[in-house]
Amino acid sequence: EYVLTQSPGTLSLSPGERATLSCRASESVSSNYLAWYQEKPGLAPRLLIYGASSRATGIPDRFSGSGSGADFTLTISRLEPEDSAVYYCQQYASSPITFGQGTRLEIE
Amino acid sequence: QVRLVESGGGAVQPGTSLRLSCAASGFTFGNYGMHWVRQSPGRGLEWMAAISNDGNTKISADSVKARLTISRDNSKGTLSLQITSLSVDDTAVYYCAKGFYSSHISFLFEFGGQGTPVIVSS
Repeated sequence: EYVLTQSPGTLSLSPGERATLSCRASESVSSNYLAWYQEKPGLAPRLLIYGASSRATGIPDRFSGSGSGADFTLTISRLEPEDSAVYYCQQYASSPITFGQGTRLEIE
Repeated sequence: QVRLVESGGGAVQPGTSLRLSCAASGFTFGNYGMHWVRQSPGRGLEWMAAISNDGNTKISADSVKARLTISRDNSKGTLSLQITSLSVDDTAVYYCAKGFYSSHISFLFEFGGQGTPVIVSS
C-alpha cells in the first residue's frame, strides 16, 4: 500500500504569492499516477491535476503539477483569495487508492 | 455536465446499518466504473470501494471490506453502498465519484456532488 505524506500541514500566504505543496510517497508511484484535489467546505472535492502534471478540464494554468517517482509538487502561482482550501494528493496506481493527509492553504 | 446526487445519510446509532444512494446524470452511467469516498475532519479523504462499469468487479479498502456492499443499477443510473455495524469512526461525509476514464474501472475519479453526511452517535 502506498503511503502519501504531504507537507507542510498548513501554509499561510498572501494574495499574489506562490504556493508550493509537497507530496512524498512511501515508494515510487507507478507510471506517475498521482493526482491533486482541492477541497472547500460544503463543496465536492475538485480534481486539479492527474498524471502528476496534466491539468483537468477548466483548471487555470496558475495550477501546475510536477515530480516523478516518489516526490511530487503542486505549485499555485499568483495566489487568489479563492484558492483557500485543503489540497490532497492521491495515488491511483493500485488498490487501495490512497490519499495524503492534506495541506491547508490559507490566503490572508 | 456530470451530476451526482448522494442521499441516505443521517444520524444513526452505533451497531446499526445504513444504505447510501447516488443518482447519476449527465453521462452514460454504464460506461464508467464508480467509487465511494468519505471525508471526515480527523481522517481527511478515504477511499472506500469501487465497482466496475458492468457491476461484475468490486474492490474495497481492507478497513471496511467485511462491513460494506457496493452495488449499481445501470438501468436506473444509480449507485448504492450498504454499511453494517456502524461505529463512531464511520462518521463522515460520503461521496460517490465517477471514474475519470470510460473503462471497466478507472482508479482516477472525479466528484460531482455535495455528499451525504452520516453521524454515528448514541
